[in-house]
Amino acid sequence: EDQVTQSPEALRLQEGESSSLNCSYTVSGLRGLFWYRQDPGKGPEFLFTLYSAGEEKEKERLKATLTKKESFLHITAPKPEDSATYLCAVLARHASGGSYIPTFGRGTSLIVHP
Amino acid sequence: GAVVSQHPSRVICKSGTSVKIECRSLDFQATTMFWYRQFPKQSLMLMATSNEGSKATYEQGVEKDKFLINHASLTLSTLTVTSAHPEDSSFYICSARANGGIRAQPQHFGDGTRLSIL
Repeated sequence: EDQVTQSPEALRLQEGESSSLNCSYTVSGLRGLFWYRQDPGKGPEFLFTLYSAGEEKEKERLKATLTKKESFLHITAPKPEDSATYLCAVLARHASGGSYIPTFGRGTSLIVHP
Repeated sequence: GAVVSQHPSRVICKSGTSVKIECRSLDFQATTMFWYRQFPKQSLMLMATSNEGSKATYEQGVEKDKFLINHASLTLSTLTVTSAHPEDSSFYICSARANGGIRAQPQHFGDGTRLSIL
């Protein structure tokens, strides 16, 4: 069974205090790993796709990395507007052999204090 | 690019009413669409997956007669909550994914529909 575990569940940072969020996964046949940001009352917003170990993607203060077992979302010098829930999802072949079904982690709730 | 529009954003209605939620991909063709339910402070719970022109595949425990899904075109999917009751109150989110060939494509999400059944 595909499993995705995100840690920590919640993270409080001071503005400018860099940190990392973790997404550990156990899947067979990884097709891709995705990071999303979700603001309260909104749908998730796509951030990055990572396809293979060693790959890195960057966008403003965010940098995502991937190994064979986990992905990190590094946040450099965060600002209050970075406060959100960050979701990780992996895509592998569905157990039934049908469509590719993503498996989501439970998310990390990030609060950045000014 | 990759915009998904979901309507309505909020519905308040009486018990027994059927409610239809629309999900449209505005600038790409969505081979696959997904419907999720999200409870407060919890992650996304997949309800069903639909491919254009095919019947939806429902996750275990989701009543297909209760939650009717139609994926009539490559840009539109609808979820109808039939005879809604208070326990159906929730935040429903759709997402759409294009066919990317060899590379896995991300889902793009709508902004959700807050359904409140009185």
